[in-house]
Amino acid sequence: NAGVTQTPKFRILKIGQSMTLQCTQDMNHNYMYWYRQDPGMGLKLIYYSVGAGITDKGEVPNGYNVSRSTTEDFPLRLELAAPSQTSVYFCASSSPDLQKHEQYFGPGTRLTVT
Amino acid sequence: LAKTTQPISMDSYEGQEVNITCSHNNIATNDYITWYQQFPSQGPRFIIQGYKTKVTNEVASLFIPADRKSSTLSLPRVSLSDTAVYYCLVGDEEGRRALTFGSGTRLQVQP
Repeated sequence: NAGVTQTPKFRILKIGQSMTLQCTQDMNHNYMYWYRQDPGMGLKLIYYSVGAGITDKGEVPNGYNVSRSTTEDFPLRLELAAPSQTSVYFCASSSPDLQKHEQYFGPGTRLTVT
Repeated sequence: LAKTTQPISMDSYEGQEVNITCSHNNIATNDYITWYQQFPSQGPRFIIQGYKTKVTNEVASLFIPADRKSSTLSLPRVSLSDTAVYYCLVGDEEGRRALTFGSGTRLQVQP
């Protein structure tokens, strides 16, 4: 049971490039999330999904896209990377219990856009 | 979204008990209160969760008064390894799973 895995661990992008951050969980969790964390700050929710085929915007969705074709995978797509997207990106998953917010986090992807 | 307010930072010494209080005035009736711990360069890790009164596990206790408008995370006999950022979360008013972590409380434990 690997939990939540993310790839890559690190990435440097040039302005205007695109990339996909991968996230996979093996806990059969319906709920998955993408957060970004800027230095010294808390986590901000980008997108989340309550199940395969269903996604919704979080607090800071601009410049990102997601898809959820399977329960296990929740990739985050960056189109036209900008320096403001330099951050650490965390993927998380949780069980479908509406009241209990125990999320399991991946190790993160550190992205630098120059 | 239900908003939480926590102290920005706290200092303690090894062996002391640390209490971190979180305010959540707009907590919904069915919401739980959850605390996470985050070390540098790692994702947050679940510590404890509760609905009312007191919850205790192997690492912490969570005290929630009857009105549920605040909660206190208690870390007994902290060690240097407890130096981390602690986040308090509650569910939002519409029952969605979108959560706001806020800036958390940075706990520094000194020897």
